[in-house]
Amino acid sequence: KNQVEQSPQSLIILEGKNCTLQCNYTVSPFSNLRWYKQDTGRGPVSLTIMTFSENTKSNGRYTATLDADTKQSSLHITASQLSDSASYICVVTPYYQLIWGAGTKLIIKP
Amino acid sequence: DAGVIQSPRHEVTEMGQEVTLRCKPISGHDYLFWYRQTMMRGLELLIYFNNNVPIDDSGMPEDRFSAKMPNASFSTLKIQPSEPRDSAVYFCASSLAVGSFFYEQYFGPGTRLTVT
Repeated sequence: KNQVEQSPQSLIILEGKNCTLQCNYTVSPFSNLRWYKQDTGRGPVSLTIMTFSENTKSNGRYTATLDADTKQSSLHITASQLSDSASYICVVTPYYQLIWGAGTKLIIKP
Repeated sequence: DAGVIQSPRHEVTEMGQEVTLRCKPISGHDYLFWYRQTMMRGLELLIYFNNNVPIDDSGMPEDRFSAKMPNASFSTLKIQPSEPRDSAVYFCASSLAVGSFFYEQYFGPGTRLTVT
């Protein structure tokens, strides 16, 4: 069964600290993996899209990694800011499908 | 481009009433998706269209839900009759496709539906 699992479910860190969010998937065939950021009350916004051949992709302070062999991805946030408080959702796409994770709720405290 | 446009942004209705949610995708995008999001179930894909044709409606919860896309710039999601358990935020998203894989999805601001 195609599944995407994210951990932790929620995370609280202090402003300026780094953090890493995890995504494990059992999806086949694999095409790409995306990380979305969803602010409260708004629609998800894409942070990165990674294909099978990409190991690392950065978008400003966000860096996503992908290990297609172990079927794991992580999203690393550097020097967190209050505006990083949001839910981060991992999505894996086999052919014409979108398998959504439940998300990690990240809270940045001043 | 103004992005994906949804209306209304908020809808409060009584149980048994008909509700219609509207979406205008980004011009040129050939895929349109309807999602529902609740605290309990997260983000759920309800249905998606390609070139105005429904491709996969397996996520539509029951016959009370229906979706149409009469042209490339407009889609509706209708709930008739509405029930309190339909209360959720409904998102519309659009994208292009590359080969047989979806490219980046752009989401609208959502419609918050409350059924009392």
